[in-house]
Amino acid sequence: GAVVSQHPSRVICKSGTSVKIECRSLDFQATTMFWYRQFPKKSLMLMATSNEGSKATYEQGVEKDKFLINHASLTLSTLTVTSAHPEDSSFYICSASTGEANEKLFFGSGTQLSVL
Amino acid sequence: GQQLNQSPQSMFIQEGEDVSMNCTSSSIFNTWLWYKQDPGEGPVLLIALYKAGELTSNGRLTAQFGITRKDSFLNISASIPSDVGIYFCAGQRDLSNFGNEKLTFGTGTRLTIIP
Repeated sequence: GAVVSQHPSRVICKSGTSVKIECRSLDFQATTMFWYRQFPKKSLMLMATSNEGSKATYEQGVEKDKFLINHASLTLSTLTVTSAHPEDSSFYICSASTGEANEKLFFGSGTQLSVL
Repeated sequence: GQQLNQSPQSMFIQEGEDVSMNCTSSSIFNTWLWYKQDPGEGPVLLIALYKAGELTSNGRLTAQFGITRKDSFLNISASIPSDVGIYFCAGQRDLSNFGNEKLTFGTGTRLTIIP
């Protein structure tokens, strides 16, 4: 099946710093990527939809200036958590789609962000 | 955001037992997906369902897309230790938007196997 690579898998940072998370589709071109956030023992909550070459679409309640998304190519989307605070600590997961009919979404392995 | 109602929330079973979990929604979904998530990892797709009434198997796993398009179930037969994890259902609404349509996730079922 399709492979989605997410990096880094774990990051610890100081409060106030910015953290960039990368999501790459390794063997297919992804016109659309999705970014999710997951708190411990909770389900995945969609944060934003990232479209190649255009602005991301953010879900209600997600601050676009806080969570910057860039989808500059068909194989790479990045999520930057700006001026991170402890409440931003969470598990962030991306998924990618080629946009074809009956296409299944494949997920990255996730990034555990811990803000001190 | 909206979530699908998934039950049970957790299950404690013995190895070899069969498992059944389901997912319900108050509105229609046109695609149902079942994922398994291990700790510290992203979800891995188990089964995808595209047609109401469809029954699909993947090894010891069987899933069905409800006729009303508002529910789905997942069965695991003869459970083994590696089945431990969290199982999520997910639904997609808009067929015309193909794979660009976002997923709505269920609340998850945590499966534990008792030695």
